[in-house]
Amino acid sequence: GAVVSQHPSWVICKSGTSVKIECRSLDFQATTMFWYRQFPKQSLMLMATSNEGSKATYEQGVEKDKFLINHASLTLSTLTVTSAHPEDSSFYICSAGTGRNTGELFFGEGSRLTVL
Amino acid sequence: QKEVEQDPGPLSVPEGAIVSLNCTYSNSAFQYFMWYRQYSRKGPELLMYTYSSGNKEDGRFTAQVDKSSKYISLFIRDSQPSDSATYLCAPKGYGNTPLVFGKGTRLSVIA
Repeated sequence: GAVVSQHPSWVICKSGTSVKIECRSLDFQATTMFWYRQFPKQSLMLMATSNEGSKATYEQGVEKDKFLINHASLTLSTLTVTSAHPEDSSFYICSAGTGRNTGELFFGEGSRLTVL
Repeated sequence: QKEVEQDPGPLSVPEGAIVSLNCTYSNSAFQYFMWYRQYSRKGPELLMYTYSSGNKEDGRFTAQVDKSSKYISLFIRDSQPSDSATYLCAPKGYGNTPLVFGKGTRLSVIA
């Protein structure tokens, strides 16, 4: 299947700092990427939909000024957690589709954020 | 009612057993029905998917969708310890729409 790469896979930061997570589609172009968050023993919750060249669409309850999403190219979307706090500690996962009509979406390996 | 309901388990079966995993959903706009497998601390891995109602078989795995009852199933035959993981059902609509995940069922296959 298609490959989606996420970086970093693990990050630990101090409270109040910002962290950037990158999501790349390696062998296909993705006009749309999705960002999910997963707390321990919980399912994946959609945070936002990232569209290349335009503003992201955020789900209800997700602060757009705190979780900055940039989708500058067809192969790269970034999520920046600004002024991170311990409650932002979570597993962040991106996914992308090939755009074919199959509806398949492929996931990155995820980025585990721990805010001290 | 949540859009996708899935029993979180845990489900423990002996090696070689047939496993049945199920979800129900409420949104009739869903057209694609995905099953993902997620190992601990990893991103979800697409196992298989079906489009609209019907069955699809891939090796030891069979996915079934009954749109009339909004019921999704995944069967695993001859289960192996390596199948131990969390299985997530995730339907979606057409085009670049997001997946809607169930809670996931944690499966343990005991050797």
